[in-house]
Amino acid sequence: QVQLQESGPGLVRPSETLSLTCTVSAYSINNYYWTWIRQPAGKGLEWIGRIFSSGRTNYNPSLRSRVTMSVDTSKKQFSLRLTSVTAADTAVYYCARADELAVAYFDYWGLGILVTVSS
Amino acid sequence: QSALTQPPSASGSPGQSVTISCTGTSSDVGGYNYVSWYQQHPGKAPKLIIYDVTKRPSGVPDRFSGSKSGNTASLTVSGLQAEDEADYYCSSYAGSNSYVVFGGGTKLTVL
Repeated sequence: QVQLQESGPGLVRPSETLSLTCTVSAYSINNYYWTWIRQPAGKGLEWIGRIFSSGRTNYNPSLRSRVTMSVDTSKKQFSLRLTSVTAADTAVYYCARADELAVAYFDYWGLGILVTVSS
Repeated sequence: QSALTQPPSASGSPGQSVTISCTGTSSDVGGYNYVSWYQQHPGKAPKLIIYDVTKRPSGVPDRFSGSKSGNTASLTVSGLQAEDEADYYCSSYAGSNSYVVFGGGTKLTVL
């Protein structure tokens, strides 16, 4: 069973950079898309972007100017950087997996990590 | 504001059926057969229950079924059980640029 675990600071100051890592266990990281999705409290889900194990990325157009994703296959980890954060970036951030052939669905998710943007 | 529109709530009694709608546009739901549904219990991660409009992942009961007509997709839960009480989110492929959009979620209450 694939397991994903998000990690990173739970509090980020406004205008600073949010950095999260997702660690994959019990499965290979190769030949899959690895995705970040967030959910503000009481609201719906928002796709942030994805990265293939080769490093190819796709980002949500609304966040593209502030988002960078990377992958380290040797550590079985992938990461999210979101710059110039504001209170609107406060959310639970999930990492998730998508099969290479899957179109827009995610079969395994992490438990999520709450990130609060506040001074 | 979410890209896909779902009713905020739905309810049904045990054993009954309930259908949740998900309305988009021809650029997402209506344009592709790539609608998926997720079930989320409080404090838990979303769980994939339907993909490619009608397909169920292994282990998901056949009480859950999906369909689509035009720009509206639907999730039907038959034979409602207490454990079906959860939030349900739809999502759809939205082209190579936006990739995937989600609905705002529907809280299903089992009366």
